Amino acid sequence: GAGVSQSPRYKVTKRGQDVALRCDPISGHVSLYWYRQALGQGPEFLTYFNYEAQQDKSGLPNDRFSAERPEGSISTLTIQRTEQRDSAMYRCASSQPTGLAGVSYEQYFGPGTRLTVT
Amino acid sequence: GENVEQHPSTLSVQEGDSAVIKCTYSDSASNYFPWYKQELGKRPQLIIDIRSNVGEKKDQRIAVTLNKTAKHFSLHITETQPEDSAVYFCAASIRDYQLIWGAGTKLIIKP
Repeated sequence: GAGVSQSPRYKVTKRGQDVALRCDPISGHVSLYWYRQALGQGPEFLTYFNYEAQQDKSGLPNDRFSAERPEGSISTLTIQRTEQRDSAMYRCASSQPTGLAGVSYEQYFGPGTRLTVT
Repeated sequence: GENVEQHPSTLSVQEGDSAVIKCTYSDSASNYFPWYKQELGKRPQLIIDIRSNVGEKKDQRIAVTLNKTAKHFSLHITETQPEDSAVYFCAASIRDYQLIWGAGTKLIIKP
């Protein structure tokens, strides 16, 4: 079946503009994650959704970053008033429900959106 | 806070030799430990994982070992091949749903 998809794949924007990054998870995956990944580094957690509920947003760097998943499927990460330091690869991942307490499941990553703020 | 340390940052081995990558974690409640492989320009993909009730797991040429007492786990790749060249990330679960990631190991297979 189809994997996780993200759009756009590349986004160049001017400092101060708002951007919206989209993630379409694997069908049936109720858990959705947003990460930021710097070149050569591991994914940095931003936020987590269980169905439409944003259950953890502790990784969002500041209040310019927000995310939503209104119908429990597609999610949008929005960055307002972009700054050069926001330039990075933004990835989303989806997984099966985490199920019983303490059980984690494989996360399937999307191809990422490469954001460049000029 | 919780963290995962991964070593070495770069590992170069001769084709056919074994490679070992080590990680330590800080949260004693962590109970799920996946390893992901990321080829250049590609997305991370799971290659093997282990849960805290198991000490070792093997899948063909790759194996993972876990020492919960010492809070460390390792990835072992035997008979390395050119297609094993990639960046490998370890991770440990926290709060049931979240993963804390290591900084990655760049594995280079020399012909």
